[in-house]
Amino acid sequence: ETGVTQSPTHLIKTRGQQVTLRCSSQSGHNTVSWYQQALGQGPQFIFQYYREEENGRGNFPPRFSGLQFPNYSSELNVNALELDDSALYLCASSLSLAGGETQYFGPGTRLLVL
Amino acid sequence: AQTVTQSQPEMSVQEAETVTLSCTYDTSENNYYLFWYKQPPSRQMILVIRQEAYKQQNATENRFSVNFQKAAKSFSLKISDSQLGDTAMYFCAFMKHARSQRQGGSEKLVFGKGTKLTVNP
Repeated sequence: ETGVTQSPTHLIKTRGQQVTLRCSSQSGHNTVSWYQQALGQGPQFIFQYYREEENGRGNFPPRFSGLQFPNYSSELNVNALELDDSALYLCASSLSLAGGETQYFGPGTRLLVL
Repeated sequence: AQTVTQSQPEMSVQEAETVTLSCTYDTSENNYYLFWYKQPPSRQMILVIRQEAYKQQNATENRFSVNFQKAAKSFSLKISDSQLGDTAMYFCAFMKHARSQRQGGSEKLVFGKGTKLTVNP
């Protein structure tokens, strides 16, 4: 167990709907990164939050957005869901200091878009 | 842009034997970090081992060790005395050294597509 939690564990939505996924970072960590893992693939970086601001973004459209709260927990929001958004969404927390800090992953949220 | 390649989609090994998983990467960076993560069927990604590129000595964690060849951009994982609990997807990942202290935060992980390892009794 890494101390990183995510909710919900599973979610079923229909095309066009909006979804919010939540992540609680490990105690003492100040950075949360979100990844999308399609079936049979490695995780792909969506974006990162550091000190409540977006701090880097992967190749994902603006309908993917997020927040980080003062307690360093984070949300991932996806608007106008598409079938290809079906995936496992992973958050990872870390303590950003000098670089290269290990990211610790939560169990993920499995999203199915019908 | 960095890329990570895992050329073995699936591997199997007998319990108590040794297996090596391959990983190559492409980067123009000189300072970076490499990781192996394990994702069991329960799906939580767990860190297995990490290597700093500036360190010549290969990292070791109990039964897990790496063979880091910086010039060849190769980073293989050796699992000794394989156990049934080692059955999982294994992902190799790359991270650049962080941006300047002024910017803060950390760099993203770039993952390979993974190797599915099955340990047979």
